Amino acid sequence: DAKTTQPPSMDCAEGRAANLPCNHSTISGNEYVYWYRQIHSQGPQYIIHGLKNNETNEMASLIITEDRKSSTLILPHATLRDTAVYYCIVRAAGGSGNTGKLIFGQGTTLQVKP
Amino acid sequence: DTAVSQTPKYLVTQMGNDKSIKCEQNLGHDTMYWYKQDSKKFLKIMFSYNNKELIINETVPNRFSPKSPDKAHLNLHINSLELGDSAVYFCASSQGTGGNSPLHFGNGTRLTVT
Repeated sequence: DAKTTQPPSMDCAEGRAANLPCNHSTISGNEYVYWYRQIHSQGPQYIIHGLKNNETNEMASLIITEDRKSSTLILPHATLRDTAVYYCIVRAAGGSGNTGKLIFGQGTTLQVKP
Repeated sequence: DTAVSQTPKYLVTQMGNDKSIKCEQNLGHDTMYWYKQDSKKFLKIMFSYNNKELIINETVPNRFSPKSPDKAHLNLHINSLELGDSAVYFCASSQGTGGNSPLHFGNGTRLTVT
């Protein structure tokens, strides 16, 4: 599974967009980019995932570069409740003997400030 | 309704005891997982079952024995508990093992071994 690199911590002002970067330069063509977050020792919460195209849902947007070597998670209007550890994960497609494991790294601690 | 529920939420026990943690999901998924989060907050996969068959066993000590009586349940039994087993254990589920299928996590069981 490809490895990801994230900054250990970031700050964001409440109401502003939070842009969380992730590098995954060794990603393979069939590997997905996933984002999860963990708020204060609760269970990891699924945010969004994508393969090649940019994705958007009610929580966030995922921008994947054309070469797929990096991505950015965007929280459009951060609130204090978005303070959490954000994990960027590259996940294999699964099938054909591949278990499609979700392997967590250290993540980025996002602190949203008033 | 809680999609992935774990019981108990907290478990305090002494070294040498045997304990079980239960997990149930009502999402209709066919794949379930156990993750361990230690004191350094590092999330690590332990086991995965797909259609009641073990597909991932991440060199976990054989004191840990998962059991999946049906697709909706994955229990974790731990024999001869040690201090180092103290951690938060998270259950998760997904539909299949494919990379396009997000995992959904429970809120964890905090195990403290004294």
